[in-house]
Amino acid sequence: SQKIEQNSEALNIQEGKTATLTCNYTNYSPAYLQWYRQDPGRGPVFLLLIRENEKEKRKERLKVTFDTTLKQSLFHITASQPADSATYLCAFTNTGNQFYFGTGTSLTVIP
Amino acid sequence: ETGVTQTPRHLVMGMTNKKSLKCEQHLGHNAMYWYKQSAKKPLELMFVYSLEERVENNSVPSRFSPECPNSSHLFLHLHTLQPEDSALYLCASSQDHRLNTEAFFGQGTRLTVV
Repeated sequence: SQKIEQNSEALNIQEGKTATLTCNYTNYSPAYLQWYRQDPGRGPVFLLLIRENEKEKRKERLKVTFDTTLKQSLFHITASQPADSATYLCAFTNTGNQFYFGTGTSLTVIP
Repeated sequence: ETGVTQTPRHLVMGMTNKKSLKCEQHLGHNAMYWYKQSAKKPLELMFVYSLEERVENNSVPSRFSPECPNSSHLFLHLHTLQPEDSALYLCASSQDHRLNTEAFFGQGTRLTVV
């Protein structure tokens, strides 16, 4: 079955640094990969979508890469701020647009 | 707000009760989804509806019964639940279940079964 793993449960970084989160997948070759942010007690919020033929996607301080050879996506937040503290989820979709999510990585940006 | 509204936000129910979760989307989307989120586990897809027809049922126990009366509303009827069903239940919508577009989630219903 398809499996999606995120590199660690929790990541702590200093304000101003770049946070890098990892998402690895197995047993599937998704055409799309998405990243979401989830705050405690709330539903996930969409951040970025990257297609398999795109190596990199940017949105303001966010950058996502997609390496289909390594079966990995990296999510970067540059110039991190305490307000970036949240859980970040990666997800891929199959042709039926069923979303398969990872367990998420909890990011804490320390002032 | 995401345009997807779930009620109630919190629900405590006994194992013999019957209750329903409600979801409404104001985005004009054709697809709606129910997910279950338990601690330390990935979001689990439960049901997918497209244009009011169920297109996916991921081996969900029959004590969970979905209903989609129109493309804007989705219900999850609950009966004779177990304590392990306690979780955050999330509703989501997307433009079309066949397209790879992003999902818009509601705030979720925190369900506790006692």
